[in-house]
Amino acid sequence: QVQLVQSGAEVKKPGASVKVSCKASGYTFTTYAIHWVRQAPGQRLEWMGWVNGGDGHTKYSQKFQGRVTITRDTSANTAYMELSSLRSEDTAVYYCARGFTGSGWYGVWGKGTTVTVSS
Amino acid sequence: DIQMTQSPSTLSASVGDRVTITCRASQSISNWLAWYQQKPGRAPKLLIYKASSLESGVPSRFSGSGSGTEFTLTISSLQPDDFATYYCQQYNSYSFGQGTKVEIK
Repeated sequence: QVQLVQSGAEVKKPGASVKVSCKASGYTFTTYAIHWVRQAPGQRLEWMGWVNGGDGHTKYSQKFQGRVTITRDTSANTAYMELSSLRSEDTAVYYCARGFTGSGWYGVWGKGTTVTVSS
Repeated sequence: DIQMTQSPSTLSASVGDRVTITCRASQSISNWLAWYQQKPGRAPKLLIYKASSLESGVPSRFSGSGSGTEFTLTISSLQPDDFATYYCQQYNSYSFGQGTKVEIK
C-alpha cells in the first residue's frame, strides 16, 4: 500500500539545523511531489514547501524561504526537509504528504516527526 | 496570501446530529479546496477534494459544497468516530483554516 515513513523525533538547540526524511513506497516516486507541512502545539497546519519527485524542482513558502531546503533522492524514494537557524517557535510536528506540483490535495500523509527546539 | 477562516472554532454535538462547518477564503479560489479530519496525535486524513469530491473510502455521510470564497463541510449524521478537528485547505497557495473541533455534547 502507499505509505510515507518519516524519521524519528529530534531534539535540537537554538541555532542548530534539523533534517527530516520521508521514505515513500507503494507508488512511483517520480510521478508526485512531496510536500512538507508543520503543526506547532495547538496551532493550525502550516505549509512549508514541496519538491517534485521527478525533476527535483522546489517551491517554498515565503515564510521559510532562506531557512528551509527540501530535496529528494530518487534512488532511495526519499524526500528530505532541512530547517536551519532553529528557534523555539520551530518546535512542532513536521509532516510530509504526497501531493502535486502546482496545486492539489494531500491524499497520503506521513505519521509526523516531532522536532523540539530547546536550550 | 490567501487567508482561510473557519467557523465555528468549536462545535458541540450529539451522535446522530447533522453538523455543518463553514470555511471562507479571503479571495476566490474556484473549487480548489480540500477538507481534512485530524484526531489527537495523528496525521490529517483527506475527506473531500475539489470542494465536493469524496475521497475513496470516506463514508458518504461526509459531503462538501461551495465555490469561490465560501465552502461547507456537512456530516449528515454524526457518528462516534467523527469527533475530531476538521481543517479546510486551499491549494492555490496551500494555506489552512484554523480548524473546527467537533466535541461531544
